[in-house]
Amino acid sequence: DIHLTQSPSSVSASVGDRVTITCRASQGISNYLAWYQQKAGKAPKLLIYGASNLKSGVPSRFSGSGSGTDFTLTISSLQPEDFATYYCQQAKSFPPTTFGQGTKVEIK
Amino acid sequence: QVQLVQSGAEVKKPGSSVKVSCKASGGTFSSFPVSWVRQAPGQGLEWMGGIIPVFGTTNYAQKFRGRVTITADESTSTAYMELSSLGSEDTATYFCARVGSTSWFEYWGQGTLVTVSS
Repeated sequence: DIHLTQSPSSVSASVGDRVTITCRASQGISNYLAWYQQKAGKAPKLLIYGASNLKSGVPSRFSGSGSGTDFTLTISSLQPEDFATYYCQQAKSFPPTTFGQGTKVEIK
Repeated sequence: QVQLVQSGAEVKKPGSSVKVSCKASGGTFSSFPVSWVRQAPGQGLEWMGGIIPVFGTTNYAQKFRGRVTITADESTSTAYMELSSLGSEDTATYFCARVGSTSWFEYWGQGTLVTVSS
């Protein structure tokens, strides 16, 4: 299976900060990558798909980039509602699909 | 608007089985793949398997093969996930997720907590 490694595992940031999360795949996955946001006790929410496509309705402060093995999710100006855990997911080898271990964005 | 509503929390004994349902409303149920993803307390997301209801074809993660069965009832727009031989390590929240027009998991159920305890 393709393994995804996210870094950092957690990040402390303030409102207005720029936050970048990386996701590295164990082998090339082209652009078959998505990013999800999950708040405590809730289901994940799709933010970015195809590595860089913003899902309709998702604020433009979220952006994704990358191809092959290295990907990033950037929040350009952190808002209070953005404190959550973020997961990357690959679908190059679907099935199966795999997720990164998650990155928790906490209030500084 | 597509909505997925899952069955309620379950408490099970070790060695038993659990069956969780996921009822869809809005949109076309049969044509889109439905997957099951679980999340142990404080842990990440783990794909278990999925089904394409119109074909009945299933795929399972290697880890769960032989222990999980995913089915779908097109007449009620409901998908099911049954997990057998439960152990304490199966204590988790189980989510159903449906692919949308983006070809990714756009729609999620609210989650079903399954607790395995003697």
